[in-house]
Amino acid sequence: EAQVTQNPRYLITVTGKKLTVTCSQNMNHEYMSWYRQDPGLGLRQIYYSMNVEVTDKGDVPEGYKVSRKEKRNFPLILESPSPNQTSLYFCASSLLTSGGQETQYFGPGTRLLVL
Amino acid sequence: DQQVKQNSPSLSVQEGRISILNCDYTNSMFDYFLWYKKYPAEGPTFLISISSIKDKNEDGRFTVFLNKSAKHLSLHIVPSQPGDSAVYFCAASARTSGSRLTFGEGTQLTVNP
Repeated sequence: EAQVTQNPRYLITVTGKKLTVTCSQNMNHEYMSWYRQDPGLGLRQIYYSMNVEVTDKGDVPEGYKVSRKEKRNFPLILESPSPNQTSLYFCASSLLTSGGQETQYFGPGTRLLVL
Repeated sequence: DQQVKQNSPSLSVQEGRISILNCDYTNSMFDYFLWYKKYPAEGPTFLISISSIKDKNEDGRFTVFLNKSAKHLSLHIVPSQPGDSAVYFCAASARTSGSRLTFGEGTQLTVNP
């Protein structure tokens, strides 16, 4: 089954304790992306990657890191989480096109609470 | 700067009636528009899309209309069903930005039986 998986689904942590949210896709997609969803703000892009070893900042990259060492995996790293990073996070993937006309497939989401 | 705006946070309609969800954009470089649907505890799923060369695209009960001069698009669902109750996100992309999507804030649709 074609899917995007994220782990963990729920996470409670404390300020400053490094964490990683994993994302994996089995569709051989070149493009992968991380979003955060906050009330009244919709989905905002954090980072994206157009292929292995190619990553770039989205609209809200501060406080986050990513890596793309393999095509299928795109982990999101919070080196020193802060309470304003409490949010619902989604990973997505798609084939890479010039016009964004490929459907993006989303993972189920990771709800993060930073105390 | 919110380039894609959904001004209605919520919409409530009766089963069988039409649901109309609206979306406005400011970036004239956007040339492809999508609607995603999101149920609680799930990720968004693609619903329907439209290219800027068209003004209408229909798929079953779902129709998207694009008015480029007004920088406005709308999603019509008819007839609405209780299973359509979800958050609907409008998204836009530009050929110059590759696969990047810009999303609106979302509209919570509730279809009452």
